[in-house]
Amino acid sequence: QKEVEQDPGPLSVPEGAIVSLNCTYSNSAFQYFMWYRQYSRKGPELLMYTYSSGNKEDGRFTAQVDKSSKYISLFIRDSQPSDSATYLCAMRYGQNFVFGPGTRLSVLP
Amino acid sequence: GAGVSQSPRYKVAKRGQDVALRCDPISGHVSLFWYQQALGQGPEFLTYFQNEAQLDKSGLPSDRFFAERPEGSVSTLKIQRTQQEDSAVYLCASSLEGEQFFGPGTRLTVL
Repeated sequence: QKEVEQDPGPLSVPEGAIVSLNCTYSNSAFQYFMWYRQYSRKGPELLMYTYSSGNKEDGRFTAQVDKSSKYISLFIRDSQPSDSATYLCAMRYGQNFVFGPGTRLSVLP
Repeated sequence: GAGVSQSPRYKVAKRGQDVALRCDPISGHVSLFWYQQALGQGPEFLTYFQNEAQLDKSGLPSDRFFAERPEGSVSTLKIQRTQQEDSAVYLCASSLEGEQFFGPGTRLTVL
């Protein structure tokens, strides 16, 4: 079992849809949880960075962490074609960062 | 620019050649990370520096891989005697207080 599991997709949704992206993890030592967006031929770009269980909202993005279930989610409201990218979850303890394989999202106009 | 830069952006090497990949982190960032990203996969950790000290190199896949950051700023990842399985995107990230900022990566293709 990999430390971080993520549905690779691809996921296609119509413009305006609510998107739900999810990751599970096995290592309870992880303390920090992140979501990155990666466009083709670009480096990952940090979207959300959370520490505690619960929700964190930033514009159209909401990150949710459930440490008891070892499950994190990213919700995108009113999705736009410009949101089409690969979304990577990442987890950290100390200076150890572990990434999921990424979910490729396409938002169709 | 204020971001992490990497060079070259693309590198094609013949099997057996040595390559050197450069990373310029964000000024003042203490921590620097190298990752390898295969097609369709997430970044896999290679090595980590705090200033000039290489504190973790557990992710380097073989002794053909070597990284340095002699003055605590620019870092170089060197791969000796490249093999086809080394073909990947090599990402560099720097951080100051936990949040990582990535460069655009170097796409290495070994023929």
